[in-house]
Amino acid sequence: AQKITQTQPGMFVQEKEAVTLDCTYDTSDPSYGLFWYKQPSSGEMIFLIYQGSYDQQNATEGRYSLNFQKARKSANLVISASQLGDSAMYFCAIRHRNFNKFYFGSGTKLNVKP
Amino acid sequence: DTAVSQTPKYLVTQMGNDKSIKCEQNLGHDTMYWYKQDSKKFLKIMFSYNNKELIINETVPNRFSPKSPDKAHLNLHINSLELGDSAVYFCASSLRDRGRDTQYFGPGTRLTVL
Repeated sequence: AQKITQTQPGMFVQEKEAVTLDCTYDTSDPSYGLFWYKQPSSGEMIFLIYQGSYDQQNATEGRYSLNFQKARKSANLVISASQLGDSAMYFCAIRHRNFNKFYFGSGTKLNVKP
Repeated sequence: DTAVSQTPKYLVTQMGNDKSIKCEQNLGHDTMYWYKQDSKKFLKIMFSYNNKELIINETVPNRFSPKSPDKAHLNLHINSLELGDSAVYFCASSLRDRGRDTQYFGPGTRLTVL
């Protein structure tokens, strides 16, 4: 079974600082995909970044980067230069390559302080 | 240029009623999903359709019945609504693209059962 763990229910970060949101996963499958989504208070789910299990380099998308440590089964999201608009829930998710199914973590609520 | 749309956005109804939520995507994706997000923000997959064929049917009461008339639409019908059905329901879609299969979400439908 796939399992995703986000151990930080809530976090605070000062505006313009970097923040790391933790995500660990449990899978015995060698092929999988890891995703991060943002859910602001307005409720929509916004795709942020993707990392494939065979990708050699850590994924980056603008201010978002993924610290992928395959041996440790962790896929932490790093947000650089935090902005007030980054305040939201952040969800980590895993997808097994052979199944059209996502497992989501419980989420981390990020608050960016001015 | 809406990508994944859902109607209605809000749905308030009495216990015992039957209701439907509609979902449409114009992304050309071949797979669509329904998720339920509870009051604690936990996201759980309910159903998935690939090319109109049901491929995932999680442990969901029989009162929930998805219908996919074509690849671009996936509707969710709920019979005999119960208080515990109150949640936000998200539709999502994806396309197998070199194995990435990123899911894109609709805005959600907030269902309140009184």
